[in-house]
Amino acid sequence: AQKITQTQPGMFVQEKEAVTLDCTYDTSDQSYGLFWYKQPSSGEMIFLIYQGSYDEQNATEGRYSLNFQKARKSANLVISASQLGDSAMYFCAMREDGRALTFGSGTRLQVQP
Amino acid sequence: GAVVSQHPSRVICKSGTSVKIECRSLDFQATTMFWYRQFPKKSLMLMATSNEGSKATYEQGVEKDKFLINHASLTLSTLTVTSAHPEDSSFYICSASVGLAASYEQYFGPGTRLTVT
Repeated sequence: AQKITQTQPGMFVQEKEAVTLDCTYDTSDQSYGLFWYKQPSSGEMIFLIYQGSYDEQNATEGRYSLNFQKARKSANLVISASQLGDSAMYFCAMREDGRALTFGSGTRLQVQP
Repeated sequence: GAVVSQHPSRVICKSGTSVKIECRSLDFQATTMFWYRQFPKKSLMLMATSNEGSKATYEQGVEKDKFLINHASLTLSTLTVTSAHPEDSSFYICSASVGLAASYEQYFGPGTRLTVT
């Protein structure tokens, strides 16, 4: 069974607008971490934001925020004030204790001027 | 954040030859390193996890004799693709971490694009 599900293969957003990228996860562990990465065409994985399963506050990092709804097992990424440079693939990932990161299928975001 | 390097960034080799990819953690000691494979327009798939000084743990379906992983020190892991064939052409990404706890970040190398002709 898929542990991380990203249901949006592609998204478009106008420059300066906000966009939400969806992510749901599946785990029976109590302790886990949720991560979002950006992958531009160069291929490098750029860490954006982290949310721990015990964190009560939603994580924020600059223009990135993570909308964490534990009961629904969702960890959506919100990018505010989109910029042209935000165009890239975005991956949601989960890490359970003792395991490596598991990635979703990704969402390709295109920011339009 | 911590820096992980990978070498080479691109390699083209002939079918039947072996290729070695190096992954180094430059400013921290990585007790655990991971190797991922990514096909075009697809996600990252974990190939194996290695701990320094011990044998790598391979994911189901990954041939351990084909993809040899060595994690000889706390800063270096190598992936050797033996007797490479065109279907092994892919983007290989290494990742390093100070441990296996859920809260520990995995730091990624820039990736190696392998093309087998």
